[in-house]
Amino acid sequence: GDSVTQMEGPVTLSEEAFLTINCTYTATGYPSLFWYVQYPGEGLQLLLKATKADDKGSNKGFEATYRKETTSFHLEKGSVQVSDSAVYFCALSPGTGRRALTFGSGTRLQVQP
Amino acid sequence: DADVTQTPRNRITKTGKRIMLECSQTKGHDRMYWYRQDPGLGLRLIYYSFDVKDINKGEISDGYSVSRQAQAKFSLSLESAIPNQTALYFCATSEPRGGTDTQYFGPGTRLTVL
Repeated sequence: GDSVTQMEGPVTLSEEAFLTINCTYTATGYPSLFWYVQYPGEGLQLLLKATKADDKGSNKGFEATYRKETTSFHLEKGSVQVSDSAVYFCALSPGTGRRALTFGSGTRLQVQP
Repeated sequence: DADVTQTPRNRITKTGKRIMLECSQTKGHDRMYWYRQDPGLGLRLIYYSFDVKDINKGEISDGYSVSRQAQAKFSLSLESAIPNQTALYFCATSEPRGGTDTQYFGPGTRLTVL
């Protein structure tokens, strides 16, 4: 079945550091890929998405490129801020049939001033 | 006002009690979902509904049941709560558009079973 694997956290960075959170997936067909963010005490919010190979999703300075050849969708940001501290979830929606999301286990990011 | 609301936001109950968690949405979406979140396990799908008459089991449906009372309402029940159902529960909605199906989440219900 479909699966999503994320790097384990927590990831601790200093403000203005470069961020990469790795995400790889296993799926049949052509899934859509998502990054969701969960701030403390809140629900999940869509951060960005990509629906086909080589698409780049971007939002709030975050980017991720859908790489079909490596089945990856790594999240990057050039300069993190303390306000980016949150849990980040990679997810996929199957390319065919019913479209319930499959989530990765989440990566906690802690940004220190 | 929030598009997806969940009640209650927090609940503490005892083993064996029946509990209902409610979800309402004003987004007009046909599709609704229930997930649970446990530390280190991400979100796991409990049940999902693609319209009022279409309800499906997810990855971890044992011990849970659902009711889709209307397009806007989707309730999750624990018939006889047990401690390992202590978790954070999220409702979500979606509507396929442009070849993809983005989900929108409620704020969550924190359930503790003693």
